[in-house]
Amino acid sequence: AQSVTQLGSHVSVSEGALVLLRCNYSSSVPPYLFWYVQYPNQGLQLLLKYTTGATLVKGINGFEAEFKKSETSFHLTKPSAHMSDAAEYFCAVSIRDDKIIFGKGTRLHILP
Amino acid sequence: DAGITQSPRYKITETGRQVTLMCHQTWSHSYMFWYRQDLGHGLRLIYYSAAADITDKGEVPDGYVVSRSKTENFPLTLESATRSQTSVYFCASSERPDLYGYTFGSGTRLTVV
Repeated sequence: AQSVTQLGSHVSVSEGALVLLRCNYSSSVPPYLFWYVQYPNQGLQLLLKYTTGATLVKGINGFEAEFKKSETSFHLTKPSAHMSDAAEYFCAVSIRDDKIIFGKGTRLHILP
Repeated sequence: DAGITQSPRYKITETGRQVTLMCHQTWSHSYMFWYRQDLGHGLRLIYYSAAADITDKGEVPDGYVVSRSKTENFPLTLESATRSQTSVYFCASSERPDLYGYTFGSGTRLTVV
């Protein structure tokens, strides 16, 4: 069965610093991968997704993620953090099924 | 308005009462889902539906009932609310979950006292 592990339930970075949120997945077949963001008191919004093709995927708000099959990873990055990036981020995986499996989330804190 | 809407936004109910959370989507997506979100547990799937009149249990279905008589609506009913059902509930929809992911509603914060 597929699963998702997000390393670090809380991550703090300084404003302007690199953001790196880690996600590893387990899947017996090539997965489809997603990152979602949740701002306070809101639902989850799709940031980006990988299905097939280019392994470096660009999303909204300057975020990107790279699918690395050999490392079973799909880490989320942003070159320069902004205060507005403070939110909770969820990695998710699907194996062409009718459901998506979510990680437990990483709360990103931005330090001034 | 196009989108997925949940109502009510906030609800306080007493233990033992029945309460229904509503979810409505305007895209005619085939799939709809109910999740609950709790600190330390992330998102847990309660029930989902692949089409009208087709529903299936998720990870934590006990104490909940769903129906889907129309494609656009997917209400979630707590038959006899318990304090452990205090949570934030999210509805989501998709035409192809594996390919497109989900679109989520804004959530219902339910408190059972």
